[in-house]
Amino acid sequence: AQSVTQPDIHITVSEGASLELRCNYSYGATPYLFWYVQSPGQGLQLLLKYFSGDTLVQGIKGFEAEFKRSQSSFNLRKPSVHWSDAAEYFCAVGGSNQGGKLIFGQGTELSVKP
Amino acid sequence: DGGITQSPKYLFRKEGQNVTLSCEQNLNHDAMYWYRQDPGQGLRLIYYSQIVNDFQKGDIAEGYSVSREKKESFPLTVTSAQKNPTAFYLCASSTQAEAFFGQGTRLTVV
Repeated sequence: AQSVTQPDIHITVSEGASLELRCNYSYGATPYLFWYVQSPGQGLQLLLKYFSGDTLVQGIKGFEAEFKRSQSSFNLRKPSVHWSDAAEYFCAVGGSNQGGKLIFGQGTELSVKP
Repeated sequence: DGGITQSPKYLFRKEGQNVTLSCEQNLNHDAMYWYRQDPGQGLRLIYYSQIVNDFQKGDIAEGYSVSREKKESFPLTVTSAQKNPTAFYLCASSTQAEAFFGQGTRLTVV
């Protein structure tokens, strides 16, 4: 079965601390992987994506993610969190030529302590 | 500016009524999608369309209907057959590789 698992429903970090959000996927074909961020009552904004090539991808707002095929993981990281990073984060998987036909994880809500 | 416009932002429906959510895009994308978002469940695909006058059911199509008469527009109707319609609805359009989302419509049954 195709699925995405985000094990952490809610994470709280202190401002300035590092962050890692976990994502594991199960997908029958070569995966296209995405991380999106959502502020309350808003749509989804793409942070970064992985299609092929270098397994460490850089995104917007200082985020990066590393694709590990052997672990079926695509974890999101940020070296120093800012209060404005508080939001909900979604990992998603799709396939080549699947466009927006994505499978989403349940989301991880990030809170930032001052 | 190119983008996806969903309207209205908030919608209230009485039980037994059908309501239609609007989604318009000016990105010239062939493919469009409707997702439903519930707390703690991520996004689930309702319907998608890869070309005008054609659409396919997603994972949770029961109680919903769509049309795709124009490339720019992909309205979603929530029918009275949808037993639990209160949710946040997101529309998207895509290239072959990447999706772009609208700002969503929050539907509440009163």
